[in-house]
Amino acid sequence: GAVVSQHPSWVICKSGTSVKIECRSLDFQATTMFWYRQFPKQSLMLMATSNEGSKATYEQGVEKDKFLINHASLTLSTLTVTSAHPEDSSFYICSARDRRVNTEAFFGQGTRLTVV
Amino acid sequence: GNSVTQMEGPVTLSEEAFLTINCTYTATGYPSLFWYVQYPGEGLQLLLKATKADDKGSNKGFEATYRKETTSFHLEKGSVQVSDSAVYFCALSDSGNTPLVFGKGTRLSVIA
Repeated sequence: GAVVSQHPSWVICKSGTSVKIECRSLDFQATTMFWYRQFPKQSLMLMATSNEGSKATYEQGVEKDKFLINHASLTLSTLTVTSAHPEDSSFYICSARDRRVNTEAFFGQGTRLTVV
Repeated sequence: GNSVTQMEGPVTLSEEAFLTINCTYTATGYPSLFWYVQYPGEGLQLLLKATKADDKGSNKGFEATYRKETTSFHLEKGSVQVSDSAVYFCALSDSGNTPLVFGKGTRLSVIA
């Protein structure tokens, strides 16, 4: 199947700093990408949907100024956690789809963010 | 709206036991159905899928059949292994530019 590469796989940062997470589709055009947050032993919580070349659509309760999403090309989306705080510590997962076909979504490996 | 309900875990089985994880869905139209697996500390991997009624998805000994009449997509495996220990998510999709709708996940632990 298609490959989605997410980087970094883990990051530790200090409170108040910003962290950027990259999500790349390696062998297909990801016209739509999704960002999820997963708390321990829980399901995935959709944070936002990003379409290439347009602004991301955020789910209710997700601060768009806190979680900046950029989908600048058909193969790259980035999530920047700005002014991170310990409560932002979580597992973040990206997912990519080709909107031209109703196939499965492909997931990155996830990023474990720890804010100290 | 669309939704997925799957049995809550955790499920603990002995090696070589039979596995069933129930999944039912609510959707308008004719969604595609998926099972994903998540190993500890990793993202989700597609396990199998079915795109229309009566299709059977299968992979690595797991299988699930798209049952439109019962709106179900139960996951089964005849003989589980310790390496199958993971969290399993049932999901559906009704178009290519919307996020998948996930169930809450079922944690499976297989003991030797």
